[in-house]
Amino acid sequence: DAGVIQSPRHEVTEMGQEVTLRCKPISGHDYLFWYRQTMMRGLELLIYFNNNVPIDDSGMPEDRFSAKMPNASFSTLKIQPSEPRDSAVYFCASSLNRVSEKLFFGSGTQLSVL
Amino acid sequence: GDSVTQMEGPVTLSEEAFLTINCTYTATGYPSLFWYVQYPGEGLQLLLKATKADDKGSNKGFEATYRKETTSFHLEKGSVQVSDSAVYFCALSDKRTANQFYFGTGTSLTVIP
Repeated sequence: DAGVIQSPRHEVTEMGQEVTLRCKPISGHDYLFWYRQTMMRGLELLIYFNNNVPIDDSGMPEDRFSAKMPNASFSTLKIQPSEPRDSAVYFCASSLNRVSEKLFFGSGTQLSVL
Repeated sequence: GDSVTQMEGPVTLSEEAFLTINCTYTATGYPSLFWYVQYPGEGLQLLLKATKADDKGSNKGFEATYRKETTSFHLEKGSVQVSDSAVYFCALSDKRTANQFYFGTGTSLTVIP
């Protein structure tokens, strides 16, 4: 398996623009997680899905952030409008099931909002 | 709520030195404990885990023992190598909260030749 695949690897955009980050989880994994990593706050869970259904989005910073999982093999995290404070590395991760207890991370998207 | 606290870095060691990175946790139930490692430019990877008290996780020369009495899961390695340079994250997972993971802030390790 190719692992968790994220795109793009790097994204540079201007304040106010819409940004869409993409993730393909490992085939057969039931859980998908979106994390944000910054120097100040470390690794923060934004939202997670189980069988394509959002379970907990309490970590989403504000209404500018939205996430979808239209099918088992694809998820997006959208920021609209983007702001400089959104600059961070965004990771997608997946896990097999409730008891697997192992997260598989993608390589992340480095987002810079100017 | 559940949380993890790990020692702040950065940590710089000479090759073959002994490594300890401290981690303590707070949990209401009986969590599983993990160490993840992040190499430059990559996502996190599971390094080792322990699922119950007194269990010892080990991998690639790294070890950590689940200590319920001190709520700790310290990471150790007897002789570090330059290739161990990375950021190390302590984490816990409580099955009651449906596979949610709580990560520490990470400790950066640099090993110099």
